[in-house]
Amino acid sequence: GEDVEQSLFLSVREGDSSVINCTYTDSSSTYLYWYKQEPGAGLQLLTYIFSNMDMKQDQRLTVLLNKKDKHLSLRIADTQTGDSAIYFCAERRANNLFFGTGTRLTVIP
Amino acid sequence: SQTIHQWPATLVQPVGSPLSLECTVEGTSNPNLYWYRQAAGRGLQLLFYSVGIGQISSEVPQNLSASRPQDRQFILSSKKLLLSDSGFYLCAWSVGGHEQFFGPGTRLTVL
Repeated sequence: GEDVEQSLFLSVREGDSSVINCTYTDSSSTYLYWYKQEPGAGLQLLTYIFSNMDMKQDQRLTVLLNKKDKHLSLRIADTQTGDSAIYFCAERRANNLFFGTGTRLTVIP
Repeated sequence: SQTIHQWPATLVQPVGSPLSLECTVEGTSNPNLYWYRQAAGRGLQLLFYSVGIGQISSEVPQNLSASRPQDRQFILSSKKLLLSDSGFYLCAWSVGGHEQFFGPGTRLTVL
């Protein structure tokens, strides 16, 4: 398909790990991104991964990339209530970014 | 450091009225500038992007237009708003087309 796809909702308990999944469209995309949007605010870049990498870790965040399946995931370890937000994946195609629908993560205390 | 501003933060407009949303960037030169719309329950849709003064590319046909009168100013306009124009409008900038940095957004409600 032509759309970047994500599940709309995810709920986890505080302290558990969260895994947010994304399927992108273009196997030649050079960069893939994860953005976080808190209520009523703009998007904040969390992390990105270059297409020749399989994994990138940054503190509590781990990004996994499966190029064969065009699948991207974001794992948040020890999820906190402050992690509650909408998470967008995006792929870079032809010098522009194309975003998924966003996954609303709810952290239950 | 670079900062990006959008105003107004919120706007309520009647159907058929004009629109002007403004975005300005500080601390960088010759950025790429973008306008996105986020409709309720949907992802971000790229509306326009600009690689320089007076250079505008439109991604989707619509009753909106964009202009870039100065290097770090990007304006989103409409002559007559539709109900379907309601949404959260986000401006973003990048240098080199890699990471994009977003403004705080404008929430537009068309009644």
